[in-house]
Amino acid sequence: AQSVTQPDIHITVSEGASLELRCNYSYGATPYLFWYVQSPGQGLQLLLKYFSGDTLVQGIKGFEAEFKRSQSSFNLRKPSVHWSDAAEYFCAVGSTDKLIFGTGTRLQVFP
Amino acid sequence: DAMVIQNPRYQVTQFGKPVTLSCSQTLNHNVMYWYQQKSSQAPKLLFHYYDKDFNNEADTPDNFQSRRPNTSFCFLDIRSPGLGDAAMYLCATSRGSVDEQYFGPGTRLTVT
Repeated sequence: AQSVTQPDIHITVSEGASLELRCNYSYGATPYLFWYVQSPGQGLQLLLKYFSGDTLVQGIKGFEAEFKRSQSSFNLRKPSVHWSDAAEYFCAVGSTDKLIFGTGTRLQVFP
Repeated sequence: DAMVIQNPRYQVTQFGKPVTLSCSQTLNHNVMYWYQQKSSQAPKLLFHYYDKDFNNEADTPDNFQSRRPNTSFCFLDIRSPGLGDAAMYLCATSRGSVDEQYFGPGTRLTVT
């Protein structure tokens, strides 16, 4: 069965530090992968997606993610975190007709 | 500019009193989704429409129903809300079945 695992429930970083959020997936075919961000009380906003091609994907707000088939991973990175990046981050894999979400990682940013 | 609109943003209903949540889209997307999200959890898919075809998730309670009268609008009906149905309800749309989804801002439902 398809599944997505985000091992880190909560991450705290200092403003200006680098960030990596982990995502591992289980999917039989070539996956369609997504990262979404959710600010408190808001809907989800797409940061980036991977369908095929270049395994390093650039997204909005300075985020990037790298698809590694051998590790079944799609980790999200940002070289320098801003206080406004504090939010909940969800990794998802596209199945036949739906998205399967991970449980999310809450990012806290200290000044 | 708004692409997926949800009304109301906040809804309070009484235990057992039917409630309807609304979603509209200006994207002309084929697929519309309803999710339930409880605090600190991932969104849980309730059902979706591909055009007029309704697809219910196996574990969605019968208490939850949906209507899609046209391409632009989709409604979530909760026939007899219980305290456990208090949650954020998110509507999303996509062009096709494995495309990226565009989410609305959500409706926060409180059951008293």
